[in-house]
Amino acid sequence: DTGVSQDPRHKITKRGQNVTFRCDPISEHNRLYWYRQTLGQGPEFLTYFQNEAQLEKSRLLSDRFSAERPKGSFSTLEIQRTEQGDSAMYLCASSPLRQGTEKLFFGSGTQLSVL
Amino acid sequence: SQQGEEDPQALSIQEGENATMNCSYKTSINNLQWYRQNSGRGLVHLILIRSNEREKHSGRLRVTLDTSKKSSSLLITASRAADTASYFCATDYFGNEKLTFGTGTRLTIIP
Repeated sequence: DTGVSQDPRHKITKRGQNVTFRCDPISEHNRLYWYRQTLGQGPEFLTYFQNEAQLEKSRLLSDRFSAERPKGSFSTLEIQRTEQGDSAMYLCASSPLRQGTEKLFFGSGTQLSVL
Repeated sequence: SQQGEEDPQALSIQEGENATMNCSYKTSINNLQWYRQNSGRGLVHLILIRSNEREKHSGRLRVTLDTSKKSSSLLITASRAADTASYFCATDYFGNEKLTFGTGTRLTIIP
């Protein structure tokens, strides 16, 4: 399967701990997006990369959140000092540059539970 | 923040019936897309309609767009149990490189 891969699928952590999620996009997809989705809501944009450059960050992305895409391939999203309000599904998506936002390919997400 | 809202929030119909869900958005758009999400999974792209288009078809899907009312509708004909999922509209607008999703419609098909 050559779709978008996210790891882990589920993460349970205690408040105050740091967590890191990984996303492997479809190869050759230049753009990579992170979204957050809470129960009963649509996904909310967090940030996106074009190759290794982080081009936009949402105001939702507080100082405790950091995302990287060091070689323009996989990406990591780290949350420091987690809070209960961080509990959500974190979705990664990718797209080829020529398609831009016209069709995003999503991974299955990482479900984070902060106790 | 969410760009718009889907209506209804939840819809239950018998298998074989048609399902219609609506999306309203707030600002002028470039494109509007519909995505499907099965429980606990990622989203799957269904169809895109451009701001200069009024109607588009893909298999059992029919999408309409009314830019004067800032609204779109998704019609699924001859529904199947496998269509049970949440459906989201998503918009992008000129000069902005991200999709903004609505709140979703949860569709349940009763066999």
